[in-house]
Amino acid sequence: DAGVIQSPRHEVTEMGQEVTLRCKPISGHNSLFWYRQTMMRGLELLIYFNNNVPIDDSGMPEDRFSAKMPNASFSTLKIQPSEPRDSAVYFCASSLRPAGADYGYTFGSGTRLTVV
Amino acid sequence: DAKTTQPTSMDCAEGRAANLPCNHSTISGNEYVYWYRQIHSQGPQYIIHGLKNNETNEMASLIITEDRKSSTLILPHATLRDTAVYYCIVRVGGNTGKLIFGQGTTLQVKP
Repeated sequence: DAGVIQSPRHEVTEMGQEVTLRCKPISGHNSLFWYRQTMMRGLELLIYFNNNVPIDDSGMPEDRFSAKMPNASFSTLKIQPSEPRDSAVYFCASSLRPAGADYGYTFGSGTRLTVV
Repeated sequence: DAKTTQPTSMDCAEGRAANLPCNHSTISGNEYVYWYRQIHSQGPQYIIHGLKNNETNEMASLIITEDRKSSTLILPHATLRDTAVYYCIVRVGGNTGKLIFGQGTTLQVKP
């Protein structure tokens, strides 16, 4: 099991550019989560999907952020245009969450985004 | 989801048991207690979760008080590699609800 795979590991971009972060969840997991971590705000949940459907995007900071999950094995988080305050580590996590049961989330290694 | 309160930091001697407390006095009957940890610069790692019974796995034990208002995560024989931030989270189980991280407890295991 390769775990949750995120790419790229590091991204440095200039303010105003579009940034796309990618995530491949663990095969068979039906829930996917995007988190952002900064020193000031800690770990924040941005959005999560159940069975490829976005369930709660209330954590997405503003319209510049968008996330998609076109199929069970791939998700993207896009920032357009990027700003310096978007600099953070972005984590993707997946979980198997059948109704009435729960298992732990498995997190990826994260993408460290720096916007200059 | 109920709020949790954890000490900001704790120390533990290598080889000794590490007991990390968590208060969740407003927990509801259908809310589980989850523990995760984050080792520096890595993604959070699931440790254990429980509803009302004590739980044990290969990583740790979770002790939940009878009134469910507090719990303790026990690492039976702490090693230097257990140095991390430990998060106690309360939420509804199943495929609803969200895992919301607080500030956690920074555990420093010392030789």
